[in-house]
Amino acid sequence: DADVTQTPRNRITKTGKRIMLECSQTKGHDRMYWYRQDPGLGLRLIYYSFDVKDINKGEISDGYSVSRQAQAKFSLSLESAIPNQTALYFCATSDRSGNFNEQFFGPGTRLTVL
Amino acid sequence: AQSVTQPDIHITVSEGASLELRCNYSYGATPYLFWYVQSPGQGLQLLLKYFSGDTLVQGIKGFEAEFKRSQSSFNLRKPSVHWSDAAEYFCAVGARPGGSYIPTFGRGTSLIVHP
Repeated sequence: DADVTQTPRNRITKTGKRIMLECSQTKGHDRMYWYRQDPGLGLRLIYYSFDVKDINKGEISDGYSVSRQAQAKFSLSLESAIPNQTALYFCATSDRSGNFNEQFFGPGTRLTVL
Repeated sequence: AQSVTQPDIHITVSEGASLELRCNYSYGATPYLFWYVQSPGQGLQLLLKYFSGDTLVQGIKGFEAEFKRSQSSFNLRKPSVHWSDAAEYFCAVGARPGGSYIPTFGRGTSLIVHP
């Protein structure tokens, strides 16, 4: 089984709809991240969480919110989706105690907002 | 603030040819440096990482990278490319552990392999 899972893998929604992307991990890591990937722009950080009680905005948090329900779960919500939020979304984890803070990525969620 | 530049958006090589993907970083102290690979339809997988010590780092799938402090570079190399290496490659720079480590990614280089 995958260590970092994301659901759904693909989602098509309409402008104005609220949607939630979910991320679960079995690695026991403290830190979790949400990124979006757009062609030519690489990965941009939306939100990150260093533990259940710690939530921080990334560089492009406007229009998004997150919830860290447990150490293993980190959800990303789009309160009112708009077309320019069409992108590939990745969840990642890392271990605070590790020497290199390597990140482990989920398979991604492809979101299309019509 | 740290930053990463990958100057090449696309690189095309023939199968069996050598490969070098460029990465330049900006960071005020000794960085953590990473190369990740993203195969089509997949998430990112770590290829290799550098923290300290030997500046030539070996990774998975036959890749290596060399840290050159004087050039602020961490270029990825492979002596002989296979068709399965066609993917998107991302360089990333991070801060030292224990702090508020948030890695910064480059925009990626897309590798195309011709038979």
